[in-house]
Amino acid sequence: GEDVEQSLFLSVREGDSSVINCTYTDSSSTYLYWYKQEPGAGLQLLTYIFSNMDMKQDQRLTVLLNKKDKHLSLRIADTQTGDSAIYFCAEAPPSNTGKLIFGQGTTLQVKP
Amino acid sequence: DADVTQTPRNRITKTGKRIMLECSQTKGHDRMYWYRQDPGLGLRLIYYSFDVKDINKGEISDGYSVSRQAQAKFSLSLESAIPNQTALYFCATSEDGTGGEGQYFGPGTRLTVT
Repeated sequence: GEDVEQSLFLSVREGDSSVINCTYTDSSSTYLYWYKQEPGAGLQLLTYIFSNMDMKQDQRLTVLLNKKDKHLSLRIADTQTGDSAIYFCAEAPPSNTGKLIFGQGTTLQVKP
Repeated sequence: DADVTQTPRNRITKTGKRIMLECSQTKGHDRMYWYRQDPGLGLRLIYYSFDVKDINKGEISDGYSVSRQAQAKFSLSLESAIPNQTALYFCATSEDGTGGEGQYFGPGTRLTVT
């Protein structure tokens, strides 16, 4: 079945790196996404990775994909207080319906 | 102006009442989705629509219905609200089923059923 798992909470100090982890079950998923939800707001697409890639870097964000272990991670370098939010991992199964399967969300707390 | 808008943003209603949540988009996307968000559970898909004539149930459609009035409008109804439908509801759109753009989300409607 389709399932995406994330730890629920991560706390870091400002300036440190944050690593948010995610595991998924559908090895044939085409795209994997990271969304950010700030308080009182909807979800905003942060970045994505295509399933034939191992890594993608976008400024302070680095996405690592281990297809063998079905493990996805998001690393935020030099974490700032403005990065405090809930981060959702999502996978796109290959059925071409546009449906996304979301994880539970990881709350990132950045302490000054 | 926001690409995906939802009304109302907050609503408190009583058990047994009928309520409609509305979603409009200016993205020109054919595909639209309704999710609910509960703490610790992430987002769960209620209904999705590929176009005006194509509506499909998601994983938790019981107790909900939808209407796709136009390409730009997708409404979610609770025919007889119950307290466990208290949640944050999101509408989303996408261009098609593939690609790196993912889905675009509205700001959400916080619904409380007393």
